[in-house]
Amino acid sequence: DAGVTQSPTHLIKTRGQQVTLRCSPKSGHDTVSWYQQALGQGPQFIFQYYEEEERQRGNFPDRFSGHQFPNYSSELNVNALLLGDSALYLCASSLKPLASGNTIYFGEGSWLTVV
Amino acid sequence: AQSVTQLGSHVSVSEGALVLLRCNYSSSVPPYLFWYVQYPNQGLQLLLKYTSAATLVKGINGFEAEFKKSETSFHLTKPSAHMSDAAEYFCAVSFRTGTASKLTFGTGTRLQVTL
Repeated sequence: DAGVTQSPTHLIKTRGQQVTLRCSPKSGHDTVSWYQQALGQGPQFIFQYYEEEERQRGNFPDRFSGHQFPNYSSELNVNALLLGDSALYLCASSLKPLASGNTIYFGEGSWLTVV
Repeated sequence: AQSVTQLGSHVSVSEGALVLLRCNYSSSVPPYLFWYVQYPNQGLQLLLKYTSAATLVKGINGFEAEFKKSETSFHLTKPSAHMSDAAEYFCAVSFRTGTASKLTFGTGTRLQVTL
């Protein structure tokens, strides 16, 4: 049973460019969330997708956008990259939005460096 | 605002000694509580979670945590530290509001285990 898988694992982008990160949830899961973890910090919630809609959003600018596909996989897009966007981006999956304490599983993350 | 606080950004213990990592939350109603571990250059792995069943929760790798409502705490303990326990530990909460939820993480505690 595959867990949460993310791609790419590492990438380097230039300021002003755009990036797309991809995530496949754990088998049987239908809810995907994205988190940003800056160096030395705890993960920060970006947004959550369920039934192909953004259900909740953290305190991130509109440069951060996402999408969920019918097979529950998801993409995170970041436009107009800033140096401060350099971080580990974590994808998490669960069964239904977390209204009943369902376990959330995390992928290994995508390391983004903006130069 | 609802939040979680981890006291001590770095904790050092000797191999075989007790591990105690502290976590306090702020919420008007008892939240769901989680402990995750992150090894270097990896994603997050769930150690244990509290969802309003037993207040003493046992997790993987010999870890356990006790939910104390009166103290708004959920401290993580392990009777005897092993070298392989060296990692970053994150306490996280989610709140029972609405149909969508998110994890709010503490800033993390780096555990060092010495011989």
